[in-house]
Amino acid sequence: RKEVEQDPGPFNVPEGATVAFNCTYSNSASQSFFWYRQDCRKEPKLLMSVYSSGNEDGRFTAQLNRASQYISLLIRDSKLSDSATYLCVVATYNNNDMRFGAGTRLTVKP
Amino acid sequence: GAVVSQHPSRVICKSGTSVKIECRSLDFQATTMFWYRQFPKKSLMLMATSNEGSKATYEQGVEKDKFLINHASLTLSTLTVTSAHPEDSSFYICSATTAGTSGYNEQFFGPGTRLTVL
Repeated sequence: RKEVEQDPGPFNVPEGATVAFNCTYSNSASQSFFWYRQDCRKEPKLLMSVYSSGNEDGRFTAQLNRASQYISLLIRDSKLSDSATYLCVVATYNNNDMRFGAGTRLTVKP
Repeated sequence: GAVVSQHPSRVICKSGTSVKIECRSLDFQATTMFWYRQFPKKSLMLMATSNEGSKATYEQGVEKDKFLINHASLTLSTLTVTSAHPEDSSFYICSATTAGTSGYNEQFFGPGTRLTVL
């Protein structure tokens, strides 16, 4: 079983749509959770951290369910610029052992 | 945010040659640097963790004699792919953290190096 599993995608949505990505992780000792965004042939960039209480940053909402070892990312009012691959990342103590999901590809179309 | 650079951004080499990739933290001192590899449409896979002044810790399945890592200063780590073969062709990405062994440490990623071995 992979340490971090994500929806395989790809997701093709029209502008303005709401889209949700799911992620599960296998290591119950994981303490830190993140969503990264990676554009084609570029490095990953931190989109947002994910907290137990859930958190929101503009059009992006992240949720964490420790009991189910499940993380989600909701994007509202999708923009063309949201097109990218979204990586679910978990880490244990210190973030010195980040484990990446394979990513979910999102394409937002006009 | 903190800036991490990599050099070269792209390299094409012949099979059997060695390739050195540099990772630099430009505006902060990185106590720990990480090296990842990413194959097309696959996730980033951690290859090794490198602490300044000490030997790197390699992930299971990563050959330390093939992927030589040197972290000689707080701002520079190098990855040398020795005797490269076509199967080593990949996107190599480094990252660096600022803090020590406690607390939240954000990893800042370099722009990556695309290696193609002919």
